[in-house]
Amino acid sequence: ETGVTQTPRHLVMGMTNKKSLKCEQHLGHNAMYWYKQSAKKPLELMFVYSLEERVENNSVPSRFSPECPNSSHLFLHLHTLQPEDSALYLCASSQDTGWYEQYFGPGTRLTVT
Amino acid sequence: QKEVEQDPGPLSVPEGAIVSLNCTYSNSAFQYFMWYRQYSRKGPELLMYTYSSGNKEDGRFTAQVDKSSKYISLFIRDSQPSDSATYLCAMSEGSNDYKLSFGAGTTVTVRA
Repeated sequence: ETGVTQTPRHLVMGMTNKKSLKCEQHLGHNAMYWYKQSAKKPLELMFVYSLEERVENNSVPSRFSPECPNSSHLFLHLHTLQPEDSALYLCASSQDTGWYEQYFGPGTRLTVT
Repeated sequence: QKEVEQDPGPLSVPEGAIVSLNCTYSNSAFQYFMWYRQYSRKGPELLMYTYSSGNKEDGRFTAQVDKSSKYISLFIRDSQPSDSATYLCAMSEGSNDYKLSFGAGTTVTVRA
């Protein structure tokens, strides 16, 4: 595997379910990000981790809970989501938080029913 | 007012045409300007990066920044069907700033 991988690629969940999204980067980077991409809207930065420490929590509802156990892995735990949370969730990494170039994974297409 | 405005299109052009994409922004502190390309079912990938005003050319791609007008452009010459994608502009205030402000993206189709 190379670059940034995300699993699952597609997820359908009910509003009462609990699920997790996984991201793994194989680039030796120190910073990792979660973004939300909704149709016809700009990418929304959700969380930023630098060396496993959270440095940004961009007013994201508590039903989204990130976890970064090491600099290569990032999780997004989901519970009691709303239909408006349906979107493409993108993971990205960069050399560190002071480097502009971010490498994105393919995303997880989430549908909340 | 959105911080970054980008016409979502869609834009459809014949093969070989010049594709012109642009974004306007309101934050005069932006200094770093990027264009990302996102193919269907893929994540965005960095295409071009420009600091401050001026032009930058890379093969068939030219990025222009006009800070006085708060306007950036991307031109694709001799467009190919493989250029069909969504193009996102992004910008930041500083080189050490991980907070990128994105446009909503313009979807481009190049017809063979």
